[in-house]
Order: sequence, then C-alpha cells, then structure tokens
Amino acid sequence: QSALTQPRSVSGSPGQSVTISCTGTSSDVGGYNYVSWYQQHPGKAPKLMIYDVSKRPSGVPDRFSGSKSGNTASLTISGLQAEDEADYYCCSYAGSYTPYVFGTGTKVTVL
Amino acid sequence: EVQLVQSGAEVKKPGESLKISCKGSGYSFTSYWIGWVRQMPGKGLEWMGIIYPGDSDTRYSPSFQGQVTISADKSISTAYLQWSSLKASDTAMYYCARRPSGYTNWFDPWGQGTLVTVSS
Repeated sequence: QSALTQPRSVSGSPGQSVTISCTGTSSDVGGYNYVSWYQQHPGKAPKLMIYDVSKRPSGVPDRFSGSKSGNTASLTISGLQAEDEADYYCCSYAGSYTPYVFGTGTKVTVL
Repeated sequence: EVQLVQSGAEVKKPGESLKISCKGSGYSFTSYWIGWVRQMPGKGLEWMGIIYPGDSDTRYSPSFQGQVTISADKSISTAYLQWSSLKASDTAMYYCARRPSGYTNWFDPWGQGTLVTVSS
C-alpha cells in the first residue's frame, strides 16, 4: 500500500485560505468516505482535525473544512492564523487487509 | 478525560528486545481499537497496526507484519508494541491512538509518543 500523495508544502498570509490535497486511488480515498486529517506541531502528537471526509470534532475551529472528489481529498484552512502553522497528514481507510494509509504530509507555513 | 499515556523513551542496542506500552484511561478500554503509528526522524506518519482489546483482534500493515507484535492486557487497560530483535532502522517516535469501534475510521486522542533509539 503506497502512501497517499500530498504537496510537500503550502503557504499563505494571515487571513488567507490554503488548500491541501491528498491523492490516493479507488482502493482507498476514492473507495470510502473515511478520510481523516491530522495536525502535528513540532515535537507534539498528531491531533484529529477532520474525520469522515468533512466532519469536524468538537473544539476544532470551523476555519477547517474537508471535502473529496474522486480519488482526491482536500483540507481547506480559511482565515489562516499563525497557530495553524504545522504539518498536516491525511489518512484513509483502505479495506480490511491494510486498513489504513497515511499521506506524505504537508507543511503549512504562515507568511 | 480520555487519555492515552505511553511509556518513556528507550535507548537500546541492535538485537535487543523491547516492549513499549500505551495505557488508556477515562473510557471503556475494551470498546475501542488502539492503533500504533511510526514516525521516523524528520519523516511522516506510517500506520503499523491495530488491536481491539475486547477480543485481541489484531491487524497489521504488510510493511510491519512479522516485524513487530501488537498485544493488549485489558485487565490493566494497556496496549503494547514489541520487537524481538531491534534494528537501527527501528529508531523512531511511536504513537498509539484510539479508534472507536463500529463503522468509524479515525484516531483520537493520541498518546504523547515514545521515542525509541537503537544504536550500538
């Protein structure tokens, strides 16, 4: 099972919007509505930001939103803030044999 | 408060064995899956495997099958990740994370991580 493909980095100024893509195959992203997104600050554990493609856990700002089209999922951060600077990883369910696969990770920089 | 607390950092030599732990609290330990994730230095997250402590049902990523063993002791609400013979390439941060049972496929919360360093 290959890792899902994400851009290495994206950047934006405070207040702007950035979108991170997560491209897989019909065996993972495209086959199930089970994409989740995790934020990881340096030296910290990952934190769940989005699950089931577009649902936000309690406590996650509504600036974070998720979507999916075909084999590509996306995370959009609207109204970018300094504290959003972190690494972001997508994760997809991939069937009972290899249940999960992570994305390659994207570094978000707030200019 | 739902928490996963992992055991402390380890420094080992190649060929040695190791078992690290992840203790759950604040919820019914047997009703949620526990997954393990590797993060090598400066690299991304890799899914290793998952266990359901209620019946010890365990699944492994093909990349880690045969390389590690995942287990759980529900009597003390603790999951484990173990190696029988460590290699230098096992040097990494290892995280455990909780996955709800049923048709759910996300991980929350995560443990604080256990840093494993393998060096001669």
